[in-house]
Amino acid sequence: DAGVIQSPRHEVTEMGQEVTLRCKPISGHDYLFWYRQTMMRGLELLIYFNNNVPIDDSGMPEDRFSAKMPNASFSTLKIQPSEPRDSAVYFCASSKLGNQPQHFGDGTRLSIL
Amino acid sequence: QKEVEQNSGPLSVPEGAIASLNCTYSDRGSQSFFWYRQYSGKSPELIMSIYSNGDKEDGRFTAQLNKASQYVSLLIRDSQPSDSATYLCAVNPGYGGSQGNLIFGKGTKLSVKP
Repeated sequence: DAGVIQSPRHEVTEMGQEVTLRCKPISGHDYLFWYRQTMMRGLELLIYFNNNVPIDDSGMPEDRFSAKMPNASFSTLKIQPSEPRDSAVYFCASSKLGNQPQHFGDGTRLSIL
Repeated sequence: QKEVEQNSGPLSVPEGAIASLNCTYSDRGSQSFFWYRQYSGKSPELIMSIYSNGDKEDGRFTAQLNKASQYVSLLIRDSQPSDSATYLCAVNPGYGGSQGNLIFGKGTKLSVKP
């Protein structure tokens, strides 16, 4: 079975540029999560969706971050404009039900210069 | 503020020993508990889930849950160098089972010495 698929795997861009991260959840999973991981702060939940509807975006750091899920098989996380402090690994995860295990994609390593 | 606390380590054990990883959580209503393993540069990988008090065994891994003490642990028997990784404890706050977010601890780094 295909797991959670994220793209790109690595992204290096300059400060001020728009960054778009993409995620395809596991088929049949109703929940999709976006996380950010840094050494200092660990794994932080940014936003999650249930049946394509955003449920909790309280972890989104500021208005520069936005996320969408136009259909059950695709989600994007956008940063505009990007800043060096946004450099981190961004993970997408999905689960079938809310209280069941989440399965993670390979992540996107983002570097903002 | 719901929290999940883990000792950051590093925890160093000799090959063949039992590694014991611990986690406490603040939300008494939490219902679902998970252990993830994360190798350096890789994504978290689920290794155990536990939902009720007591022990749950899967191969060399045993998860233990004590809801009264708000404590969950992971034991790794016959530790191998390939077990060297960071272990993340994750807790679902569990209001009604329909809420999906997990709260992660910062992880314990385990090193198994040959």
